Amino acid sequence: NAGVTQTPKFQVLKTGQSMTLQCAQDMNHNSMYWYRQDPGMGLRLIYYSASEGTTDKGEVPNGYNVSRLNKREFSLRLESAAPSQTSVYFCASIRTSGREQYFGPGTRLTVT
Amino acid sequence: GENVEQHPSTLSVQEGDSAVIKCTYSDSASNYFPWYKQELGKRPQLIIDIRSNVGEKKDQRIAVTLNKTAKHFSLHITETQPEDSAVYFCAARMIQGAQKLVFGQGTRLTINP
Repeated sequence: NAGVTQTPKFQVLKTGQSMTLQCAQDMNHNSMYWYRQDPGMGLRLIYYSASEGTTDKGEVPNGYNVSRLNKREFSLRLESAAPSQTSVYFCASIRTSGREQYFGPGTRLTVT
Repeated sequence: GENVEQHPSTLSVQEGDSAVIKCTYSDSASNYFPWYKQELGKRPQLIIDIRSNVGEKKDQRIAVTLNKTAKHFSLHITETQPEDSAVYFCAARMIQGAQKLVFGQGTRLTINP
């Protein structure tokens, strides 16, 4: 049972490049989330998926798109990366009516 | 939507003393309040949580209190140890529905030997 996994762990992009961050969970959780964490800003919700087939915007969705590929996988795409998207990105999941939100190990993204 | 304010942003205490971190929330519909600890370079991990039908919960050296009327909740760490040094986040959400968790800005706690 690996929990929540994320790939890649680190990534450097040039401004304007695109990339997809991958997230998968093997706990049969219904809801999945993408957060970004900037110094002094806490964790801010980008997008979430309450269940397979649904996605909704969070607090800071601009510049991102998501896909809930199946129950296990929830990807985050940056179509045209900007330096303001330099951050640590965390994926998380929770089962329906669950309490603890389980986080992945994070992806450290730098956009130059 | 929900907004969570957390204070202080940094806290430094002597080993063995107590530490208190406070949060306020805006949405009276929130009924679940977890606290996460994040060590440097690691993912956030749940350390304690409380539901709105309970006023206080304790787990060894950590406790959380909730005042629903005032929309305040607090984390108390007693007999602090060096391994308590980390960033602590409070959060709030409804336990039903879309389960969006809104986080406070975090408190960097440093335990001085």
